Amino acid sequence: DADVTQTPRNRITKTGKRIMLECSQTKGHDRMYWYRQDPGLGLQLIYYSFDVKDINKGEISDGYSVSRQAQAKFSLSLESAIPNQTALYFCATRENSGDTQYFGPGTRLTVL
Amino acid sequence: AQSVTQPDIHITVSEGASLELRCNYSYGATPYLFWYVQSPGQGLQLLLKYFSGDTLVQGIKGFEAEFKRSQSSFNLRKPSVHWSDAAEYFCAVGITGANNLFFGTGTRLTVIP
Repeated sequence: DADVTQTPRNRITKTGKRIMLECSQTKGHDRMYWYRQDPGLGLQLIYYSFDVKDINKGEISDGYSVSRQAQAKFSLSLESAIPNQTALYFCATRENSGDTQYFGPGTRLTVL
Repeated sequence: AQSVTQPDIHITVSEGASLELRCNYSYGATPYLFWYVQSPGQGLQLLLKYFSGDTLVQGIKGFEAEFKRSQSSFNLRKPSVHWSDAAEYFCAVGITGANNLFFGTGTRLTVIP
């Protein structure tokens, strides 16, 4: 969905490096999410935010941090990347008065 | 705890054949139900959703899904598959008061000529 963008789309990094993945949306939604996708495991929730001042941990937040710089921007950071964080990362937004989530195109991260 | 099961990891169908992808959920009340499609190298696109009302819902690209409360299922169907339907399909469940969607592990669809 072009209304939710993620940068970069692909990233290869080394163990121990700090990495930031960025997400921007033009949908005007307050709620934003970061998911991780691993083969055979579906999507797992890392962090979510209901507004700029409200950030919450998801199922698998260890090793990750987030920043909600504005309503439209939600960044995911790996402070010290490790190989088992190699995955496809998705940002999503959710309707303010509904339950439908809209996903960005994903960022493929490889940690060597 | 709530869970979503997609029992078929991989399905292969011939172009023009009918398709049914299975999804079962475990939850005490009626959840919100979604089907998403992920084409190679792409993000997740919403195909259709069920919140309430008519249990047969129509989506984009000719897909439909039927909610069956007695079977805790929300199977996705298409009467005639096109080669462009080859993708991975995810069933997801939303629960009132919860903060996120719960996803199944996905079903990969291969379409052969």
